[in-house]
Amino acid sequence: QVQLQESGPGLVKPSQTLALTCTVSGDSISRDFYYWSWIRQPAGRGLEWLGRVYPTGRTNYSPSLKNRVSLSIDTSKNQFSLKLYSVTAADTAVYFCARASYSASLSHVFDYWGQGALVVVSS
Amino acid sequence: DIVLTQSPAALSLSPGERATLSCRASQTVGNTLAWYQQKPGQAPRLLIYDASNRAPGIPARFSGSGSETDFTLTISSLESEDFAVYYCQQRSHWITFGQGTRLEIK
Repeated sequence: QVQLQESGPGLVKPSQTLALTCTVSGDSISRDFYYWSWIRQPAGRGLEWLGRVYPTGRTNYSPSLKNRVSLSIDTSKNQFSLKLYSVTAADTAVYFCARASYSASLSHVFDYWGQGALVVVSS
Repeated sequence: DIVLTQSPAALSLSPGERATLSCRASQTVGNTLAWYQQKPGQAPRLLIYDASNRAPGIPARFSGSGSETDFTLTISSLESEDFAVYYCQQRSHWITFGQGTRLEIK
């Protein structure tokens, strides 16, 4: 069974960097035809895709955030990470990590998710 | 960005009734639309991909239809566990989600 688990500080000060890690178990993060994403959800609101990282380290970011976000992957630890720079209160949200495929079937949809990590931006 | 607009924002129905949820895209996305269900305190669960294909393990009462800009998620006969928030997602141009439809017990 594939499992994803987010970890990182639950409180970040404004203007600082939000950093989260997702640890994957039950699957190899290096597996062909899969990539790994971060998605966030402010309280009571909808979902926002932040970006994706492939096992090669190649990344794509949401156009609305690409100047402030960075994703990386550590295949030796079966983990991938998110950094969001210069945060404000508007970045307060539950952050989910998730898996997607880019093969012919179930392409670019998220079939496994972490439980989510609440990050509050406040001084 | 492709904007997905879901309607209605909230829907009140009784168990056993049929639910019809709509998702409209600001430009054509072909059939590259998915639907998710989210319950309080949980991550979203994939229901439908490529507009009309049920994900593994999803009951047959869930069905999806539509193409280009107009899509529908239908739940043929509501069970108590179906009351949740539903999101659509497109993958035609990057990835965006709709704002959700809350399905409530009447």
